[in-house]
Amino acid sequence: DQQVKQNSPSLSVQEGRISILNCDYTNSMFDYFLWYKKYPAEGPTFLISISSIKDKNEDGRFTVFLNKSAKHLSLHIVPSQPGDSAVYFCAARGWSGSEKLVFGKGTKLTVNP
Amino acid sequence: EAQVTQNPRYLITVTGKKLTVTCSQNMNHEYMSWYRQDPGLGLRQIYYSMNVEVTDKGDVPEGYKVSRKEKRNFPLILESPSPNQTSLYFCASSFYDRPNSPLHFGNGTRLTVT
Repeated sequence: DQQVKQNSPSLSVQEGRISILNCDYTNSMFDYFLWYKKYPAEGPTFLISISSIKDKNEDGRFTVFLNKSAKHLSLHIVPSQPGDSAVYFCAARGWSGSEKLVFGKGTKLTVNP
Repeated sequence: EAQVTQNPRYLITVTGKKLTVTCSQNMNHEYMSWYRQDPGLGLRQIYYSMNVEVTDKGDVPEGYKVSRKEKRNFPLILESPSPNQTSLYFCASSFYDRPNSPLHFGNGTRLTVT
């Protein structure tokens, strides 16, 4: 039973355009959502997060949107740069710090120059 | 520098030969965890530890053991490796009681079992 789903295994965009990565979840107890970025030969690194009390969080070129009623979140990257090419993992957990972080399968983003 | 250190980065071994992958963090994190990443399957949790001497199974614990004798170290032990354990392994850590504390990952260990 996959609680966090990233339905697009890959995404290709042109440099300078917007990249939109999507994530759906099924567990209504999830309260905190994170995005991680992973380059080849490196571990995943934390990118941005959002708690369920918000619907938007912005950090520079990265914005995460949360639609709780639809159990859907998205990561927007504007403008996209070739260095953004990586695998992006969506993750979610309950609000308690002891809750396990559940990961999606990842979306490979390629930004073409 | 705050980091999670895994060793070795690459390991090739044969079926049945016991091995240990070490993991160490210098951030005083209570929570540590092991994941494996396989194509099309994403990151799957193997074992985790809430604190010293407290460990529990994740989603795919079969064939693995862990120990947490010290706060900073969380080794992953494969007593009798098999080819289906060929994978990319990541160790991660975070604070236990801070809900917005993200996981910090090591750079991975690529294991091949022949």
